[in-house]
Amino acid sequence: DIQMTQSPSSLSASVGDRVTITCRASQTISVYLNWYQQTPGKAPKLLIHSASTLHSGVPSRFSGSGSGTEFTLTISSLQSEDFATYYCQQGYGAPYSFGQGTKVDVK
Amino acid sequence: QVRLQESGPGLVKPSETLSLTCTISGGTITSKYWVWVRQPPGKGLEWIGYIYYNGGTNYSPSLKSRVTMSVDSSKSLFSLRLSSVTAADTAVYFCARWISPYGLDIWGQGTTVVVSS
Repeated sequence: DIQMTQSPSSLSASVGDRVTITCRASQTISVYLNWYQQTPGKAPKLLIHSASTLHSGVPSRFSGSGSGTEFTLTISSLQSEDFATYYCQQGYGAPYSFGQGTKVDVK
Repeated sequence: QVRLQESGPGLVKPSETLSLTCTISGGTITSKYWVWVRQPPGKGLEWIGYIYYNGGTNYSPSLKSRVTMSVDSSKSLFSLRLSSVTAADTAVYFCARWISPYGLDIWGQGTTVVVSS
């Protein structure tokens, strides 16, 4: 099975900050990497698929990059609604595992 | 607009079988993969497995011996059965649509299942 590791596990930031989250795969997954955002009590929402393609309706302040085993999610200017937990997920091979999550909270 | 809704008992006794259903509305079940994901309290997301509209399945190896998924195209729903549950199976269970390999684009709201006597 492919293991996904996110860093950091949590971070504190302020509105307007640039935020970067890293996701590493235990083996190459090409660009089959998805990012989700989850707020408390809600289902996750798809942000980015295929490492860098924004899902429909997702603000352009979100961006993704990477290929192979290392990927990043960047929020260019953090907004109040972006305080949440972010998960990466590999879509390369079943089981389509998730990272452990990165919680972004208020500094 | 496609919507998913989970349903099933919120309380299951240890050693019994957890059974959940996900009803699809506003869209077709055909030619898509349908997924179950769970989230234990305060923890991250765990992939349980998927079922294709034609009944093909793939389960997480860690749960494979206890999981069964089924689909009823005539009723636009798919189901999850997890046998021999323990407290470790207490979680919010989500159903979702998997646009392989492009992610889970539509999710149900989730349903909480507690395993307790």
